[in-house]
Amino acid sequence: GNSVTQMEGPVTLSEEAFLTINCTYTATGYPSLFWYVQYPGEGLQLLLKATKADDKGSNKGFEATYRKETTSFHLEKGSVQVSDSAVYFCALDSGGGADGLTFGKGTHLIIQP
Amino acid sequence: DTAVSQTPKYLVTQMGNDKSIKCEQNLGHDTMYWYKQDSKKFLKIMFSYNNKELIINETVPNRFSPKSPDKAHLNLHINSLELGDSAVYFCASSGGTGSNQPQHFGDGTRLSIL
Repeated sequence: GNSVTQMEGPVTLSEEAFLTINCTYTATGYPSLFWYVQYPGEGLQLLLKATKADDKGSNKGFEATYRKETTSFHLEKGSVQVSDSAVYFCALDSGGGADGLTFGKGTHLIIQP
Repeated sequence: DTAVSQTPKYLVTQMGNDKSIKCEQNLGHDTMYWYKQDSKKFLKIMFSYNNKELIINETVPNRFSPKSPDKAHLNLHINSLELGDSAVYFCASSGGTGSNQPQHFGDGTRLSIL
C-alpha cells in the first residue's frame, strides 16, 4: 500500500534559518505529491504540489522537488519567519482520487524570534 | 466566501448519542471526502464520494455513514458515539478523481465525547 514518511517534530529554528523537512514515500504507479500546512485551529491549506518526476513545486518561498529516484519530496525554505510556525504535512495521491490522500504524520515547526 | 465549510466547528456530546456534521463546498467540485485527525495530528481518509459512488475505508466502523443530498454537500452521520471517536473531522473536496487535483479542506469539526 501507499505510505508517506516524514521527519518527526517538533522542529525548532530561529528566524531567518534555513529549513528542510524530509519526506519520502512508497506508492504504486506515479503519484502526485503535495505539501499541506495547518496553522493552529485551522484546516489544511495546500502549500505546493508536483505531479511528475523532476517537477518543482513552489509557493511563499517554500520549494520541493519530486525525486523519483529517491522517492522523496523534501520541503525547503531559505529563510523562515515566525509566521511559518505550523504543522506541515507531506501527502500523496496515487491516482483515481477515490482513495483520498495518504498523509505523513506531520511535522510541527516552531520558529523563534 | 468560504470554499469548504463545515458545521459545527465544535461538538461536545455524551457517549451513545447520534450526531451529524455538515459539509458544503461552493467550488463546483465533483468529489468530496471525510478525514479523521487523531490527537497526534495523524490524518486518515474515511470516505470519498464521487458521482454517487461511495468509497469507504475498510477500517471505518459502520456507525459512520456519509450522506450526500447533492453534489455540493457531504454530511457525516455518526451513531452510538464512543470515546474513541473524539477527534477533529475534516471535510475536503477536489475537482476530479485525477491524482493531480489538489484537495481543498474545511476548517474541521472538533468532536469531544464525554
